[in-house]
Amino acid sequence: DTEVTQTPKHLVMGMTNKKSLKCEQHMGHRAMYWYKQKAKKPPELMFVYSYEKLSINESVPSRFSPECPNSSLLNLHLHALQPEDSALYLCASSQGLAGGHNEQFFGPGTRLTVL
Amino acid sequence: ELKVEQNPLFLSMQEGKNYTIYCNYSTTSDRLYWYRQDPGKSLESLFVLLSNGAVKQEGRLMASLDTKARLSTLHITAAVHDLSATYFCAAGFGNEKLTFGTGTRLTIIP
Repeated sequence: DTEVTQTPKHLVMGMTNKKSLKCEQHMGHRAMYWYKQKAKKPPELMFVYSYEKLSINESVPSRFSPECPNSSLLNLHLHALQPEDSALYLCASSQGLAGGHNEQFFGPGTRLTVL
Repeated sequence: ELKVEQNPLFLSMQEGKNYTIYCNYSTTSDRLYWYRQDPGKSLESLFVLLSNGAVKQEGRLMASLDTKARLSTLHITAAVHDLSATYFCAAGFGNEKLTFGTGTRLTIIP
């Protein structure tokens, strides 16, 4: 299995809702990432998990809460989002090994709309 | 802080023509990636460049890396319509964080 999967593909939520985005990979990768991408812009890194521990938080607001239950799964819990949080959320994974080139493989993304 | 710039931001070219996209980065990087993104889709990995002078080719696309100039190029030869997409370069140092360029939106005109 050489792919990263994400669910759901599309999500519409109100500002008072709580929802979660899910990401899964079965490539044995030990690093997993969340990116946010606005239209016509490059992806912006949000979080990095390395060996199931949060290693990078790019000063993301607390209404976004990541979770890595195991080495294959990555969640992003959403609560009290704002309309400006509407974007494509991309998950990626990489080997995460020291000395490796650590190519990142991206999932198909979740298109999030906040009303 | 690593910064990555691409130019041009927009490129409209005729089928059959050649062109080059440039990617400059500001500080030391030990890896350079090129990705393709179709509208509404995810990022597809095209090339991984790890050393000075590295050159990789796939079909009509060729990527190169000059670490001394902190420059990577993506050359398109005899463009065809299905190459229309947005192309991103991304540079990294160490194991975890990539910094993406601004992207080049390429449109191939018949």
